[in-house]
Amino acid sequence: QVNLLQSGAALVKPGASVKLSCKASGYTFTDYYIHWVKQSHGKSLEWIGYINPNSGYTNYNEKFKSKATLTVDKSTNTAYMELSRLTSEDSATYYCQQPHYWGQGVMVTVSS
Amino acid sequence: DVVLTQTPPTLSATIGQSVSISCRSSQSLLHSNGNTYLHWLLQRPGQSPQLLIYLVSRLESGVPNRFSGSGSGTDFTLKISGVEAEDLGVYYCVQGTHAPYTFGAGTKLELK
Repeated sequence: QVNLLQSGAALVKPGASVKLSCKASGYTFTDYYIHWVKQSHGKSLEWIGYINPNSGYTNYNEKFKSKATLTVDKSTNTAYMELSRLTSEDSATYYCQQPHYWGQGVMVTVSS
Repeated sequence: DVVLTQTPPTLSATIGQSVSISCRSSQSLLHSNGNTYLHWLLQRPGQSPQLLIYLVSRLESGVPNRFSGSGSGTDFTLKISGVEAEDLGVYYCVQGTHAPYTFGAGTKLELK
């Protein structure tokens, strides 16, 4: 069965960076784009961007262009999202998803 | 950016009742390729979102057929024909026609 397994919760200091992972299994990794979505506490969802695992092509929401960097490692079927220059506004749950399945989400807390 | 307006924001229902959720877009979601990338998600409490309906009316594999989607252009509806306890949570519409992809604010389905 399809599974998107995300890395564990992260507590990071303001100004630092964090790299989140999303390991795919149960399907051919290069068949579907991987999207990343942000959900601030108790709020709706925001699309950050997607990456084509086959080519590495990325498409970002303009709002997150200077915040997020998406990459993949085809050898391990893993997608990554690095968030930089973190502030309290970046504290949220982040999901990876392919068109039909979502990861379990990872909570990022930015605090000194 | 495309704005998706969901109504009502909260829906109270009894078990067995049929309910509908509306999603209106600020611009047509008909893509130049002929597809309409309007989908419906359910986020149960404490869980990640799951896909219910994709491309307006296609039922995702494993989703009960009491869920149905309809609409075109800018007006879309999700109907649940006979609410069950497991249907409680927040429903989101999401569009993937125009970048950046956007989500509605959500409709919370509660038990009356």
